Parts: sequence; structure tokens; C-alpha cells
Amino acid sequence: AQSVTQLDSQVPVFEEAPVELRCNYSSSVSVYLFWYVQYPNQGLQLLLKYLSGSTLVKGINGFEAEFNKSQTSFHLRKPSVHISDTAEYFCAVSDMNSGGYQKVTFGIGTKLQVIP
Amino acid sequence: NAGVTQTPKFQVLKTGQSMTLQCAQDMNHNSMYWYRQDPGMGLRLIYYSASEGTTDKGEVPNGYNVSRLNKREFSLRLESAAPSQTSVYFCASGHSSYNEQFFGPGTRLTVL
Repeated sequence: AQSVTQLDSQVPVFEEAPVELRCNYSSSVSVYLFWYVQYPNQGLQLLLKYLSGSTLVKGINGFEAEFNKSQTSFHLRKPSVHISDTAEYFCAVSDMNSGGYQKVTFGIGTKLQVIP
Repeated sequence: NAGVTQTPKFQVLKTGQSMTLQCAQDMNHNSMYWYRQDPGMGLRLIYYSASEGTTDKGEVPNGYNVSRLNKREFSLRLESAAPSQTSVYFCASGHSSYNEQFFGPGTRLTVL
């Protein structure tokens, strides 16, 4: 069984400061990893994904994440946040199992509050 | 491309009433999903459809039914609504292989 842990439910940060949102996962097989963002009163949209290859993944809006297999982590980072980054961020994991359907498990989310 | 569309956006029901949430996607995806989102609990999968003609239960299927009408449309039905079903419901679709999912804007449902 796979699981995702987002250690911080809320992260306040000042505008133009760096931020890291933490995500750890557990799985018995190799995985795909995702970060989604949800702006208020909207659906989720994909920020970035790790499928294979380079462990440093760049996404939209200046975000990046690093896949660390030994620590089973996929932390999201941004060097300088903007007010518009205020949103909820979800980490998700999908097993690379064979078959037509691969279950996706979402974390409970981290609310990023950017303070002017 | 509209992506994933959901109707209605908002709904208020009384306990025991029934309703159907509609979802459609125009991205030719095989897989479609219904989630509910509750504070502090993230997204929980209600039902999914890996391909046209198939549906399967997710984590929290009790009280719900689904229909995969065709490749584009996947509806969620509440036969007898309960206050515990007050939630925000999201439909999503995706490619089977990489499982990146595309979400609709959500339906906010309140059951009184």
C-alpha cells in the first residue's frame, strides 16, 4: 500500500522569501510523484511531476521539486514567493504497477500563506 | 478545449433527497475519477472508471453510485443524501499510463 505524508498543514512565509513544502511517501514499488496546487474555490492543477530521469524537476510558476529515493521524499521549493502563490498544495504518489489503472494517493495538503 | 466540466457548481439538498452530479471531459482520456474533499482530509477517491464501460469503488463509495455514460461523461449519483455527504466534489480525468489527472472546478454540496 502507498501513502503520502505532508508534514506541515500550514506554512506562513513573507513575500520574496524562499519556501519548502515537505512531502514524504511510502510504497513497496517504484513510483510516480506529483505536486498539485489548488487556488481558492478552484480545482487542482498540476504544478510538476516526476516520472523518471533527473531527480530535480522544474514546474510552472518557478516551483521545483527534488526526488530523493533514499529518503522517500519529494519536497517542493521556490526561491522567492509571491502573494499569488497563496494556495493549498497537494503531494500525490502513484505506483508504477502494471495494469490499466494505477491508484493515486493524495496527501492532506499544505496551505501556503504568503504575507506581504 | 474546455477540459473537465462539472455541473452544478453549487447545490443544497435536504436529507433523503437524490441528485446526480455531471462530469464531462474533452481530452479523450480513458480514466475518470470522482473525489470528495473535506477539511483536513485531503482528497478521497469515491469511484473511478479506468476505461469506458468499467467502474470500480474507491476508498469511500458508500452512499454513491456512478455511471460511465460514454468516454466523455462520468456521473455521480447520491440516491438518498445524508449530512455526512456535505463536501466539495471533484471530477478528474487522466491518461492511464502516467496517471497525471486533470480536475474540474468542483461542486459544493450541502445536505441539510
